[in-house]
Amino acid sequence: QQQVKQSPQSLIVQKGGISIINCAYENTAFDYFPWYQQFPGKGPALLIAIRPDVSEKKEGRFTISFNKSAKQFSLHIMDSQPGDSATYFCAARLTGGGNKLTFGTGTQLKVEL
Amino acid sequence: NAGVTQTPKFQVLKTGQSMTLQCAQDMNHNSMYWYRQDPGMGLRLIYYSASEGTTDKGEVPNGYNVSRLNKREFSLRLESAAPSQTSVYFCASSEPWGNTEAFFGQGTRLTVV
Repeated sequence: QQQVKQSPQSLIVQKGGISIINCAYENTAFDYFPWYQQFPGKGPALLIAIRPDVSEKKEGRFTISFNKSAKQFSLHIMDSQPGDSATYFCAARLTGGGNKLTFGTGTQLKVEL
Repeated sequence: NAGVTQTPKFQVLKTGQSMTLQCAQDMNHNSMYWYRQDPGMGLRLIYYSASEGTTDKGEVPNGYNVSRLNKREFSLRLESAAPSQTSVYFCASSEPWGNTEAFFGQGTRLTVV
């Protein structure tokens, strides 16, 4: 079963707009939540990550919001740019799991001019 | 700095053939991982190696074997390829502890006909 549920599957945003991708999890033993960005033909690359004792983390135009009680977290991309067009994966790591990651199903983002 | 290098980049196999996917990292990481990426499924962990000399099954290990040849190299073997193993395979490396980034290779696109 999918332990990390991600939505939407695809997203089209106008240049300058806000892109929002949501993830939800069930296992309370997850202790680290990274987001990965993947361009066509490339491997995923870490974009931003958060621990569950923090409600928000911001790095430039990218923000993770984390709601521990609801077991949900989301990625917000402010002022979205065409160069942000990529597939985004949320992920979660089990406590003591040796950095093994459980990934969401991915969101294909397209930013239009 | 090459990071994580995978070979080959593309491969077509006939059902029943065997092959080995190679992975090497130059970041002196202790842990290495093999994931497969399928449309709508995200990335799923096949096998991982927490440290040199150890390997363990991930979420989808059936039909695969691995070898941690040394600290740098981690190979994935398909003994008798099946069409269900058509996928993009990613190798990754990281440290097994802390909030550390997993670095991914560029992937191997495998088609089994």
